[in-house]
Amino acid sequence: QEKVQQSPESLIVPEGAMSSLNCTFSNSASQSIWWYQQHPGKGPEALISIFSNGNKKEGRLTVYLNRASLHVSLHIRDSQPSDSAVYLCAVSMNNYAQGLTFGLGTRVSVFP
Amino acid sequence: EAAVTQSPRNKVAVTGGKVTLSCNQTNNHNNMYWYRQDTGHGLRLIHYSYGAGSTEKGDIPDGYKASRPSQENFSLILELATPSQTSVYFCASGGGAETLYFGSGTRLTVL
Repeated sequence: QEKVQQSPESLIVPEGAMSSLNCTFSNSASQSIWWYQQHPGKGPEALISIFSNGNKKEGRLTVYLNRASLHVSLHIRDSQPSDSAVYLCAVSMNNYAQGLTFGLGTRVSVFP
Repeated sequence: EAAVTQSPRNKVAVTGGKVTLSCNQTNNHNNMYWYRQDTGHGLRLIHYSYGAGSTEKGDIPDGYKASRPSQENFSLILELATPSQTSVYFCASGGGAETLYFGSGTRLTVL
């Protein structure tokens, strides 16, 4: 069974700083890697995904994937207080219809 | 915009009782999922479905049943609820790509 580990468990950053989150997964055959954002009392919302080695940028978000080291990172530029949430890393297998395997999450707090 | 609605929002049940959690999606997605979320365990997949009439076991199906009577509706059934099933339950739908759209969750307490 796929294992997904995230670090750090929590992160506190000042407004305007970069937030950097890490995720490792156990299966090199994993398909896409996803990042979800979850605010208190809400369901997770998809932010960004990556399939190929390298990086992908969308707005203030940049994701880096290194399949050889089974590592993916998420970087949030110019962090805002509204970015305060739990960020979940998720991995899909060959049959994506079977759902995603999630990590435990990183809690990000951005203070003004 | 993708919409997944769960009911009830909160539920208190007694040990040994039957609990049904409901989920409705208006996205016309084929795939639907039930997850539970617990501190220290994260989100874990209980059951999923490829379409009306189909249900499949996820990673932690014991003690749970699922029902998919239509494209729009997917229910999670606890025939004999136990305190260990106290959790927050999330339903999600997916349309053939990998993006999952989640509902707002049901907080279940089994006393």
